[in-house]
Amino acid sequence: GAGVSQTPSNKVTEKGKYVELRCDPISGHTALYWYRQSLGQGPEFLIYFQGTGAADDSGLPNDRFFAVRPEGSVSTLKIQRTERGDSAVYLCASSLSGVTGELFFGEGSRLTVL
Amino acid sequence: KQEVTQIPAALSVPEGENLVLNCSFTDSAIYNLQWFRQDPGKGLTSLLLIQSSQREQTSGRLNASLDKSSGRSTLYIAASQPGDSATYLCAPGGEYNQGGKLIFGQGTELSVKP
Repeated sequence: GAGVSQTPSNKVTEKGKYVELRCDPISGHTALYWYRQSLGQGPEFLIYFQGTGAADDSGLPNDRFFAVRPEGSVSTLKIQRTERGDSAVYLCASSLSGVTGELFFGEGSRLTVL
Repeated sequence: KQEVTQIPAALSVPEGENLVLNCSFTDSAIYNLQWFRQDPGKGLTSLLLIQSSQREQTSGRLNASLDKSSGRSTLYIAASQPGDSATYLCAPGGEYNQGGKLIFGQGTELSVKP
């Protein structure tokens, strides 16, 4: 597609459940980023992929959060044993080069944990 | 650790005014800086990308400047319109070993009144 695509756009789940959020980057973009945005705040960095490998996962809050990008294109953010504090909008971005390139964001996946 | 501050947090102006949004960052070792706009409930739209070797970038009624050594950037919006109402986010990108990830400020919420 022309832009970064994220699914689902909205996800409501119960505390303790497992959730997967998907990101389909712009075709040809080698760098992919996940961010989390809480209401009234700027996006907070979670993890960065260059190709298939996680080059920087320093923003993942704890071991309940995990992300993969097995073929260097689509990425999945996985959250285990969800907590109410995980409720936020999860944003994905991609970039052609990953160093000095411009980042392009998707519309986000809004996660609500009840 | 990079910290980004945007001033003012909110701004309300009448249509037609020229305005300046300010961004400051603590670590001047950046590769680039990107300005985004975010409409309520939406993802981020890239407005301008300034490489660290550049002083400014222009796109239509928007002009962004960068003073890397002093850790400052400004976004100038000429002849503001109601359609400019949104939250504007500033995000400097780290040096090479950080993969170009962006660190965000909390944004300036702009309201342009007709």
